[in-house]
Amino acid sequence: EIVLTQSPGTLSLSPGERATLSCRASQSVSSSYLAWYQQKPGQAPRLLIYGASSRATGIPDRFSGSGSGTDFTLTISRLEPEDFAVYYCQQYGSFTFGPGTKVDIK
Amino acid sequence: QVQLVQSGAEVKKPGASVKVSCKASGYTFTSYYMHWVRQAPGQGLEWMGIINPSGGSTSYAQKFQGRVTMTRDTSTSTVYMELSSLRSEDTAVYYCARDAGDGSGKGYYYMDVWGKGTTVTVSS
Repeated sequence: EIVLTQSPGTLSLSPGERATLSCRASQSVSSSYLAWYQQKPGQAPRLLIYGASSRATGIPDRFSGSGSGTDFTLTISRLEPEDFAVYYCQQYGSFTFGPGTKVDIK
Repeated sequence: QVQLVQSGAEVKKPGASVKVSCKASGYTFTSYYMHWVRQAPGQGLEWMGIINPSGGSTSYAQKFQGRVTMTRDTSTSTVYMELSSLRSEDTAVYYCARDAGDGSGKGYYYMDVWGKGTTVTVSS
């Protein structure tokens, strides 16, 4: 089973700053089967990125995904107030989720 | 629009079973797999299993094998998740989530639409 590790656990930033979130897999992820989700308190997760770098429908272009193999990154180019949330990566070959990165306001 | 409407909150005693429903609308029910994911209080997301609404085939996470049953009713476009032998550690929000799929019955295995979640509390 592929284990996903996300870092940092918490990222404290100010609106307008750039956020860089990491997701590392214990084994190579085939065909970039890596997705990112955003979850706000009291809400269901929302799909942001699939295939490591493809934005889901309606997702602003300040969100971008990159990476391959075992190392993947979610970048938020300029944080908006609504972007402060928890972000999860998921390897969808084995359905496993990472433990999440919380992006909070500095 | 695509929508997944889940049943209401449940409170159960240890050892009991719970059955959560998820009614789909806005798309062809049998063309997309459905996942169940749970989230314990303050914790991350945990995948429980997947059902193909077309034929009813299922695949469960090893952790839940023998305790979880996923079914569907194509006449009402509803999927169900039943979890038995409940213990306090099963206290969580349970989500159904549609597989992104290709719309022709092929699964992509990531989730593009989520229900709002059903809170299940297990307490004596």
